[in-house]
Amino acid sequence: EAGVVQSPRYKIIEKKQPVAFWCNPISGHNTLYWYRQNLGQGPELLIRYENEEAVDDSQLPKDRFSAERLKGVDSTLKIQPAELGDSAVYLCASSLGPSGGALPGELFFGEGSRLTVL
Amino acid sequence: KQEVTQIPAALSVPEGENLVLNCSFTDSAIYNLQWFRQDPGKGLTSLLLIQSSQREQTSGRLNASLDKSSGRSTLYIAASQPGDSATYLCAVKGTGFQKLVFGTGTRLLVSP
Repeated sequence: EAGVVQSPRYKIIEKKQPVAFWCNPISGHNTLYWYRQNLGQGPELLIRYENEEAVDDSQLPKDRFSAERLKGVDSTLKIQPAELGDSAVYLCASSLGPSGGALPGELFFGEGSRLTVL
Repeated sequence: KQEVTQIPAALSVPEGENLVLNCSFTDSAIYNLQWFRQDPGKGLTSLLLIQSSQREQTSGRLNASLDKSSGRSTLYIAASQPGDSATYLCAVKGTGFQKLVFGTGTRLLVSP
């Protein structure tokens, strides 16, 4: 079974440029998360989707970040314009949700997209 | 607001040693606690998940315990191997909003 797939793995851009990251969750997982991980830190939640609905986006900097999850499957995270402080690894994760599966709520992560803003 | 702390921040041991990684959290109203492993430049790999009603989980040489009343979890690694070298992160999912809060991790180095 395929895991969570993210692309691109690496992206280098100049500040003020736009960038987009794509995530394909594990098949059947209704909950999708975007996390940001700074060097030497644990991941921090940016946004959580239950199917198509963004149920927790309180940590998403909405002036420059946007996300969508059309049809409740794939998701895209966009930054426009990027700033130097946005350099980080952007991680996507998925889970069956709190009421599903043998291990309800267990998160599975992708390899991440490493962003460098120059 | 839930805060998760991991001690030590870094640990270096010779191969074969048994070791314990610690995780503490401030709000005991949790849904579950999950331990992850992260290799350099990679994503997170789930190791063990403990539901709030459980006291421990085991997988191979790994054993994770949970004490909600004291706000602590430990990850025990038996007979450590160089391949265990990685950063270990614990994460706590609270009740209600289901938000997963991570610690900053323990960087483990097992030398041959």
